[in-house]
Amino acid sequence: SQQGEEDPQALSIQEGENATMNCSYKTSINNLQWYRQNSGRGLVHLILIRSNEREKHSGRLRVTLDTSKKSSSLLITASRAADTASYFCATDNFGNEKLTFGTGTRLTIIP
Amino acid sequence: DTGVSQDPRHKITKRGQNVTFRCDPISEHNRLYWYRQTLGQGPEFLTYFQNEAQLEKSRLLSDRFSAERPKGSFSTLEIQRTEQGDSAMYLCASSPPVAGVRETQYFGPGTRLLVL
Repeated sequence: SQQGEEDPQALSIQEGENATMNCSYKTSINNLQWYRQNSGRGLVHLILIRSNEREKHSGRLRVTLDTSKKSSSLLITASRAADTASYFCATDNFGNEKLTFGTGTRLTIIP
Repeated sequence: DTGVSQDPRHKITKRGQNVTFRCDPISEHNRLYWYRQTLGQGPEFLTYFQNEAQLEKSRLLSDRFSAERPKGSFSTLEIQRTEQGDSAMYLCASSPPVAGVRETQYFGPGTRLLVL
């Protein structure tokens, strides 16, 4: 079963604008990760944030985590056409190894 | 440095046939995972190996599914008597043996299965 949901389900923005996606989850977590998936391909790891962290940066990516609200956001700044993809958050819990994914946000960057 | 590889990339089969997929993890990664992804959904966990031991299985893994990792390196996922509902992308991932720390899972390109 899916852990939670990404919001919005789909997002279209102009190239150069910032894109923000949100992820909500249901149970206590150990880590939260964001992955990107281009159409019909495997997942590419973007960033991992641990449950004791509140914010993390990597290049044009900024991730926040609010464990009290069981939510995370992914911000992509200065978007590029190559950022067009589906973005998934995934959580893992203490005591087991599996990742539980959300339903994904489909991001389209308009050149 | 090669990433996770999966073979075949695409498989079309008729209902009732058996299929087998292979996953080669990143070398020295002792943890290996299988996930299934249907259209428009996020991946769902199927099973997990640490070295050759299968340590966790999802309820999604019915008795028609079997996974092995005989020497702790590559893994195979077999589906017997395929059904149309088995049509999906089958993803493999691996992660390194870092003690006490949960680390990133690195995914392969997936095997897309279509059952006619």
